[in-house]
Amino acid sequence: DVKVTQSSRYLVKRTGEKVFLECVQDMDHENMFWYRQDPGLGLRLIYFSYDVKMKEKGDIPEGYSVSREKKERFSLILESASTNQTSMYLCASNSGQEGTGELFFGEGSRLTVL
Amino acid sequence: AQKITQTQPGMFVQEKEAVTLDCTYDTSDPSYGLFWYKQPSSGEMIFLIYQGSYDQQNATEGRYSLNFQKARKSANLVISASQLGDSAMYFCAMRPNTGGFKTIFGAGTRLFVKA
Repeated sequence: DVKVTQSSRYLVKRTGEKVFLECVQDMDHENMFWYRQDPGLGLRLIYFSYDVKMKEKGDIPEGYSVSREKKERFSLILESASTNQTSMYLCASNSGQEGTGELFFGEGSRLTVL
Repeated sequence: AQKITQTQPGMFVQEKEAVTLDCTYDTSDPSYGLFWYKQPSSGEMIFLIYQGSYDQQNATEGRYSLNFQKARKSANLVISASQLGDSAMYFCAMRPNTGGFKTIFGAGTRLFVKA
């Protein structure tokens, strides 16, 4: 069964802490994405990566960075967490070569910053 | 700039009736894909249906069909014979065929199916 796995379902952090959200996919997908989901705003793209060590800013990259050292792993980093980063974070992947380009999502990581 | 607009924050439908969820989009890319995803209360995102911008026929997947009107830049989702399990958030999404398969989403529509 194809899978996108996010390391933590729920996290509680304090303002100013460094936060790592990890995402691993087992489908050999080229592309990986990080979104945040907020009520009334839908899913907003933070960063995406189309190859190892390659990254592109999405629509809301401020306050975030990413790392993709291996094809299967895409990490989202909050260098200094702030309360306005409290949200649901969704990782997704897709193939750049095959199919429709539909996204495969992880279960989400709900982050609360106090 | 690319944008997806879903103007219905919430909708109600009677069980067994059909319902249309609206989606309009804006893009300057000549080639793109349109998607609908379902998110039940459990939180998982489920891919429902895909329409390519050059596809001549509207996409269908079981009870789901996509009413694609390219000139109007609309991609409405039609769910026929609604079931209680269709109660969920529904997101319209678009991916241009350039730029690394970057996909953008609308704000979503919450559908409530009444028994």
